[in-house]
Amino acid sequence: EAGVVQSPRYKIIEKKQPVAFWCNPISGHNTLYWYRQNLGQGPELLIRYENEEAVDDSQLPKDRFSAERLKGVDSTLKIQPAELGDSAVYLCASSTRQTGELFFGEGSRLTVL
Amino acid sequence: QKEVEQDPGPLSVPEGAIVSLNCTYSNSAFQYFMWYRQYSRKGPELLMYTYSSGNKEDGRFTAQVDKSSKYISLFIRDSQPSDSATYLCAMSGGSNYQLIWGAGTKLIIKP
Repeated sequence: EAGVVQSPRYKIIEKKQPVAFWCNPISGHNTLYWYRQNLGQGPELLIRYENEEAVDDSQLPKDRFSAERLKGVDSTLKIQPAELGDSAVYLCASSTRQTGELFFGEGSRLTVL
Repeated sequence: QKEVEQDPGPLSVPEGAIVSLNCTYSNSAFQYFMWYRQYSRKGPELLMYTYSSGNKEDGRFTAQVDKSSKYISLFIRDSQPSDSATYLCAMSGGSNYQLIWGAGTKLIIKP
């Protein structure tokens, strides 16, 4: 069974440019998470979806970040415009209600110059 | 003060040694305690999951929770070079989506 798939793996952009990350969760996982991880720190939750509904986006900087999960499967996280401080690894994870275990993708590493 | 404190290391030990990794926390409402392993340039993967206090063993790994001291530990016996990774503790009060993470301890096992 395929794991959580994220793309792109790496992205380098200049500040003020837009960027988008895509995530395909494990089939059948109704809960999807976007995390941000800075170097030497633990993951920080940005947004959590239950199916297509964003149930926790309290930590999402809504002035520049947006996310969507159409049809309750794939999800896209967008940053516009990007700032230097947005350089980080953006992790997508998914889980089922039954076990609650989070399965992470390999992450999308963003560098903003 | 952070809710979860974890020494970032790096912790370097010789192959075969017993490794002890620890986290302290301040929120007495935490009931679910997890250890994730993260290899370089990979996402975290769940290693151990413990509810409330006590010990849990899985092969070479043992997780301990001491709620009275607000202290959790992960022990690795007969450590191998393949155990070299960053170990993150995570905990929550009632559901996994509200995980509070430690900063991670980088572990290096020298052959």
